[in-house]
Amino acid sequence: DAGVIQSPRHEVTEMGQEVTLRCKPISGHDYLFWYRQTMMRGLELLIYFNNNVPIDDSGMPEDRFSAKMPNASFSTLKIQPSEPRDSAVYFCASSSKYPGFAGELFFGEGSRLTVL
Amino acid sequence: KQEVTQIPAALSVPEGENLVLNCSFTDSAIYNLQWFRQDPGKGLTSLLLIQSSQREQTSGRLNASLDKSSGRSTLYIAASQPGDSATYLCAAGGNTDKLIFGTGTRLQVFP
Repeated sequence: DAGVIQSPRHEVTEMGQEVTLRCKPISGHDYLFWYRQTMMRGLELLIYFNNNVPIDDSGMPEDRFSAKMPNASFSTLKIQPSEPRDSAVYFCASSSKYPGFAGELFFGEGSRLTVL
Repeated sequence: KQEVTQIPAALSVPEGENLVLNCSFTDSAIYNLQWFRQDPGKGLTSLLLIQSSQREQTSGRLNASLDKSSGRSTLYIAASQPGDSATYLCAAGGNTDKLIFGTGTRLQVFP
């Protein structure tokens, strides 16, 4: 398997624009996570899905952020409108079991977002 | 609320040294403790996963231990090499929460 695949790897946009980040989890993994990493706050969980259903979105910072998982092989994280403080590296990760219990977490290489 | 702390934040050692990275967590009711490696500009790679019923896990030159009662885990790297240079993060998993990550230890091994 190719691992967790994220696109784009880099995105530079202007404040107010819509940003869509994409993720393809490892085939067969039932859990998908979106994280955000910044120097100031470290790695933060934004939202996670189990079997394509959003389970916990309490980490989503604002209503400007939304995430979907229309099928088992694809998820998107959308920011609309984007703001400079959204600049960060966004990671997608997947697991075959809930990581809090026993599942090993596999990360993609991240999408580095810069909002000017 | 679970909090995970890693000390030191940065470490620089000469090649060949054995070293220990520390991870502390406040809530001992964890299900597992995971160690990850992150190279610059890359995602996190899982190194070792210790279940709460285990005391340690080993993979090659890496050995991770878990002491739930004291709220500590250590990652031991034997005979360090320049290729070990990276940021190492630990994460605690519980039954009512997600994985909680520490802020990491940035390791540099120089020749």
